[in-house]
Amino acid sequence: DQQVKQNSPSLSVQEGRISILNCDYTNSMFDYFLWYKKYPAEGPTFLISISSIKDKNEDGRFTVFLNKSAKHLSLHIVPSQPGDSAVYFCAASAYAGGTSYGKLTFGQGTILTVHP
Amino acid sequence: DAGITQSPRHKVTETGTPVTLRCHQTENHRYMYWYRQDPGHGLRLIHYSYGVKDTDKGEVSDGYSVSRSKTEDFLLTLESATSSQTSVYFCAISPGLLQETQYFGPGTRLLVL
Repeated sequence: DQQVKQNSPSLSVQEGRISILNCDYTNSMFDYFLWYKKYPAEGPTFLISISSIKDKNEDGRFTVFLNKSAKHLSLHIVPSQPGDSAVYFCAASAYAGGTSYGKLTFGQGTILTVHP
Repeated sequence: DAGITQSPRHKVTETGTPVTLRCHQTENHRYMYWYRQDPGHGLRLIHYSYGVKDTDKGEVSDGYSVSRSKTEDFLLTLESATSSQTSVYFCAISPGLLQETQYFGPGTRLLVL
C-alpha cells in the first residue's frame, strides 16, 4: 500500500528550463508535505515544505504546489541548474492529534538530470 | 547542517551475524528515526524514538530492534543479519514539534553476504 507515489522514476531537462516533479498521495489525513533532495553517498537534505492550509510555497528557485482535492503536489525548479541533478523525494506526515510523532511516508524518488 | 553522525559508514557482514548501527546527534532533538533506502521503495521507516527509552515500530521493523538510553544516541540492531537487510540505513532527527522537518545523517551502507 504505497500511500505516497512518485510515478516518474526519472526526468531530464535542459539547463535554464523548468523542472516539474510530481507526487500523489492517497491518505487524506496527511497535512504536511516535504521535498528532499539526495545526492549519491549522502543523506537526504530538506528542500521545501508546505502545510495543507496553503496551496503554494516559494523559496528562491523552488516552488511547491499542493492540490488537496486531487491529492497531488508538485515541485517546480526555475531555472534548473546542473547542480540540481539529484534524486528528489516527496514525503508526507499526518499530525493525527499529536500522536503521529512526526513520522514521514516517502515516495519512491525521481532522478532529475539537468543537462548543460 | 544538523549535527548527526552515523557509524560505521560502511559495513560488510555475514548472514546470521548480529550488527549494531549507531546514530549520534548533538542537537538535543527529542525525536529520532531509522530508515532504510532501497531501489524502488524510497525511504521506509524501521523504528523511531520519541524520547529516552521511548521507542516504537515503523513500517518495516521485522528483524530489527532499537535502543535509546541517552538523548543523543539511537542504536539500531539487526539481531541476525539476512541478505534482505542489505541496504543503506539513514538516521534522522526532529525537534518533535508540530510539522517539524526531519534532518538526516550521512547514512550507513550495509552489505550482508
